[in-house]
Amino acid sequence: GAVVSQHPSWVICKSGTSVKIECRSLDFQATTMFWYRQFPKQSLMLMATSNEGSKATYEQGVEKDKFLINHASLTLSTLTVTSAHPEDSSFYICSARVGGPVAEQFFGPGTRLTVL
Amino acid sequence: QKEVEQNSGPLSVPEGAIASLNCTYSDRGSQSFFWYRQYSGKSPELIMFIYSNGDKEDGRFTAQLNKASQYVSLLIRDSQPSDSATYLCAVLGSGGSNYKLTFGKGTLLTVNP
Repeated sequence: GAVVSQHPSWVICKSGTSVKIECRSLDFQATTMFWYRQFPKQSLMLMATSNEGSKATYEQGVEKDKFLINHASLTLSTLTVTSAHPEDSSFYICSARVGGPVAEQFFGPGTRLTVL
Repeated sequence: QKEVEQNSGPLSVPEGAIASLNCTYSDRGSQSFFWYRQYSGKSPELIMFIYSNGDKEDGRFTAQLNKASQYVSLLIRDSQPSDSATYLCAVLGSGGSNYKLTFGKGTLLTVNP
């Protein structure tokens, strides 16, 4: 399957700082990338859909000014958690959609964010 | 509100048995259905997808789809301890959904040696 990378794999930061997470499709071009958040023992919650060259579409209840998404190229999307607080601590996972009618999504390995 | 329902389990089966995982969905217009496996602390891994009614087999895995009943299942034959994980059912939304997947809450499977 297609390979998606994320960086960093884990990060610990102080409350009030900003954290940037990168998501890259390594062997294919992804017209659409998705950002999810997963709290312990819960399912994936879609935060936003990111299309190359256009503004991200955020899900209801997700603060667009807090979770900044930039999809600068067909292989790179970034999520910046601004002014992070302890309640933002979570497992952030990106996925990239392979083109075609079935539209499989392949997931990156995830980034575990801990805000102290 | 598009919903995907799964039995949260845990589902426990002995090694070598068949594990059966079930999923129902509310959006009748959904066209593609996915099964992901997620090990604890890891991100989901695509096992297989299905979009036609009937069965689709891939190795020890068989996905079954019944659009009339809005039901999709995953069978794991000859279950191994390494199959122990949470299995997520995901449904691709119909028309204008920008290819968003709706995930169920997952079924925790434990295969006992």
